[in-house]
Amino acid sequence: QLLESGGGLVQPGGSLRLSCAASGFTFSSYAMSWVRQVPGKGLEWVSGINGGGASTYYADSVKGRFTISRDNSKNTLYLQVNSLRAEDTAVYYCAKGGCSNTICARGSQGFDYWGQGALVTVSS
Amino acid sequence: QSALTQPPSASGSPGQSVTISCTGTSSDVGGYNYVSWYQHHPGRAPKLMISEVSKRPSGVPDRFSGSKSGNTASLTVSGLQAEDEADYYCCSYAGSNNVVFGGGTKLAVL
Repeated sequence: QLLESGGGLVQPGGSLRLSCAASGFTFSSYAMSWVRQVPGKGLEWVSGINGGGASTYYADSVKGRFTISRDNSKNTLYLQVNSLRAEDTAVYYCAKGGCSNTICARGSQGFDYWGQGALVTVSS
Repeated sequence: QSALTQPPSASGSPGQSVTISCTGTSSDVGGYNYVSWYQHHPGRAPKLMISEVSKRPSGVPDRFSGSKSGNTASLTVSGLQAEDEADYYCCSYAGSNNVVFGGGTKLAVL
């Protein structure tokens, strides 16, 4: 099970930290990703991290503004989102990769479990 | 990185088969056997239906199948059922460009 939290309303230029609490599997053995969906639009991969946490990857649209991290002792995935823009308004999903390695952090084996999502609204 | 190209909509009657295409480039779909497909009912978590072009996860009905030819991947749903009505997204590993999703296809069961 994956459970996101930390979403909400934030002003342009503001920051948030999204969390994803994992249970039911050995968290450290799997890469994780964040995927978002702008209301009425399609899915967009945002960021991925390998099982150990040493390798991180970002979409060009968020590079330099978002930071993915994980605490394997707490079975939790994070996404620090800074310098938020209106176009970052979306439902943010955490998703589990099919293995631990770096290409699994980028969906090579698909994302086999997803959370219910956390809504981030960027508006003044 | 441009999104993969999917038809915006597809439809079929119960019991029929429908195929959804997903066209990319040699840098994503055509370059790797790492295409996955997701079913998304609005308001619910997306569900993995196919991984690595044609692998069906446990619990996914065998009515769902995937294939690839060149830069185009396809998802076929056979024996359409009412509960198959949903949005479907393809996704590909894209090397240094990381990950790219398709724009999504709304499947209607008439």
